[in-house]
Amino acid sequence: EVQLVESGGGLVQPGGSLRLSCAASGFTFSNYWMHWVRQVPGKGLVWVSRINNDGSSTSYADSVRGRYTISRDNAKNTLYLQLNSLRAEDTAVYYCARDSSGYYYNWGQGTLVTVSA
Amino acid sequence: EIVMTQSPVTLSVSPGERATLSCRASQSVSSSLAWYQHRPGQAPRLLIYGASTRATGIPARFSGSGSGTEFTLTISSLQSEDFAVYYCQQYNNWPKTFGQGTKVEIK
Repeated sequence: EVQLVESGGGLVQPGGSLRLSCAASGFTFSNYWMHWVRQVPGKGLVWVSRINNDGSSTSYADSVRGRYTISRDNAKNTLYLQLNSLRAEDTAVYYCARDSSGYYYNWGQGTLVTVSA
Repeated sequence: EIVMTQSPVTLSVSPGERATLSCRASQSVSSSLAWYQHRPGQAPRLLIYGASTRATGIPARFSGSGSGTEFTLTISSLQSEDFAVYYCQQYNNWPKTFGQGTKVEIK
């Protein structure tokens, strides 16, 4: 069974940093592109970032480019998202998702990031 | 960026009834359209990809149709577990974009 389990969320002050993790199991992690998608409370889903299977290529939404860094450790079957220079508008539930030809076949349960003084 | 617009925002349906959800793309996305179900506190769940192909384990009461800019998700006979928010997503162009969601609630 495919499992994606996010962790690392929490309360952080504006300008602060967090690192989110997504532990993957049940599939060959190193074969798949992975993504982060977020949902602001009460709003819809928004793509944040993606990384290719070996970590050599990444891309970001305009709203987070330069502040967030996606990475992966295929030996540990883990995806990461480093969040820096956090703003109130970054408050959201962050989901990791497994790419399958462009759509997201599996998702984690999400981890909540709250940016507030 | 392709804008995905879902309608209606909220759909009130009685159990056992049919629900029809719409999704419109601001430009053609061919058949690169997926539908997801999202219940509160749970992981989103892939229902449909390629506009009309059910994902593994998805009941036959869920069906998708359309291509280009107009798409439809139909739930033929709503069960209690189907009351949730549904999102469409295009994956034909970067960035991949989602609709704002349709909430299916109990009438």
